[in-house]
Amino acid sequence: DMKVTQMPRYLIKRMGENVLLECGQDMSHETMYWYRQDPGLGLQLIYISYDVDSNSEGDIPKGYRVSRKKREHFSLILDSAKTNQTSVYFCASSSLGNYAEQFFGPGTRLTVL
Amino acid sequence: GEQVEQLPSILRVQEGSSASINCTYENSASNYFPWYKQEPGENPKLIIDIRSNMERKQTQGLIVLLDKKAKRFSLHITDTQPGDSAMYFCAASSNTNKVVFGTGTRLQVLP
Repeated sequence: DMKVTQMPRYLIKRMGENVLLECGQDMSHETMYWYRQDPGLGLQLIYISYDVDSNSEGDIPKGYRVSRKKREHFSLILDSAKTNQTSVYFCASSSLGNYAEQFFGPGTRLTVL
Repeated sequence: GEQVEQLPSILRVQEGSSASINCTYENSASNYFPWYKQEPGENPKLIIDIRSNMERKQTQGLIVLLDKKAKRFSLHITDTQPGDSAMYFCAASSNTNKVVFGTGTRLQVLP
């Protein structure tokens, strides 16, 4: 069963706290992504990972970092979260190749107070 | 330029009529154009895509058109049903696996 999982699904943090969002996939996909989704802005790419320890900045990487130590896991880290990082975060994965479908996880709703 | 512009942001149609969503892109190297549907509280899912070597693709009530000269592509949903109510995202990709999404269209199919 092809699946992308995200943990946690909901998270409330205070400004300045550290945040760890986890993503897993069981399809052995090389490429994984982190997006945030905000009303009126669509899906904005934060980071893309082409394989283990091969990560590239997306369009809005500021305030975020990522870690990919195993092909099936991709973590998003917010060091000292800010209120404007309140959003819904989606992880996705795809195989290599330009025409590859992206499979999205269920999303994590993060609120930073 | 990597922007993808998507219009309209909100679209209301009567059940049984057709709905059209239009997107334009800037990167002339873009060669893959997927469309994703996102139902409320759910994740985006691929519904149809088109490659740059095609001008038209149709599947199950969905039609995608691509005009490479104008850098424009569109989704047409024929005979809309209540189950078509959702958020729709167009996207464009070049040979980097990096996909740029439009800002989304909220489609409401009215009974």
